[in-house]
Amino acid sequence: GAVVSQHPSWVICKSGTSVKIECRSLDFQATTMFWYRQFPKQSLMLMATSNEGSKATYEQGVEKDKFLINHASLTLSTLTVTSAHPEDSSFYICSARDDHRGPWIYEQYFGPGTRLTVT
Amino acid sequence: QQQVKQSPQSLIVQKGGISIINCAYENTAFDYFPWYQQFPGKGPALLIAIRPDVSEKKEGRFTISFNKSAKQFSLHIMDSQPGDSATYFCAASITGNNRKLIWGLGTSLAVNP
Repeated sequence: GAVVSQHPSWVICKSGTSVKIECRSLDFQATTMFWYRQFPKQSLMLMATSNEGSKATYEQGVEKDKFLINHASLTLSTLTVTSAHPEDSSFYICSARDDHRGPWIYEQYFGPGTRLTVT
Repeated sequence: QQQVKQSPQSLIVQKGGISIINCAYENTAFDYFPWYQQFPGKGPALLIAIRPDVSEKKEGRFTISFNKSAKQFSLHIMDSQPGDSATYFCAASITGNNRKLIWGLGTSLAVNP
């Protein structure tokens, strides 16, 4: 149980274009989803948190107009990188949590990640 | 106060040995401490987690030891195997603020055969 998928697993796009990454919880309701960014050999950097049906809460320094997050249903969240530039190249990982699931309601389950390369 | 300090940065252990990774925190309001394992090119996977009302939790070869007074917690991997070679992250969270995780910087573990 508690499986999270991401699509695509890797994507190459040209500078100036937009790319959408999907995150799905396959066997549970994701009341809260998180989007992270990870650079090689570094820790995870939280970009934003979203609750189903609400606007995402972005971390300080993350441009909300550049990284559009939509959490339209209890099983799907999307991250759109708009007008991508080479510096946006990174490993993007989502995680999901079911806030109604006891007793360990704090557990975050991670997707496999999406490698974005902007040329 | 929101930091979680993890050490060592890298660790080399012989097969069959014990791997020990340590984390320390300052914020006494943290009340959930998970450990994640990440293989290259993959997302992190939850290994084991503990709450501060327990001093130790064991799941198979993985044990968390928690020292509330010292504000430290550690991961012990018994009988380490080459397949355990990965990056390990400790984290902590607090009630409220969407319970977002505060992450350590990670430990790269290599288990030699």
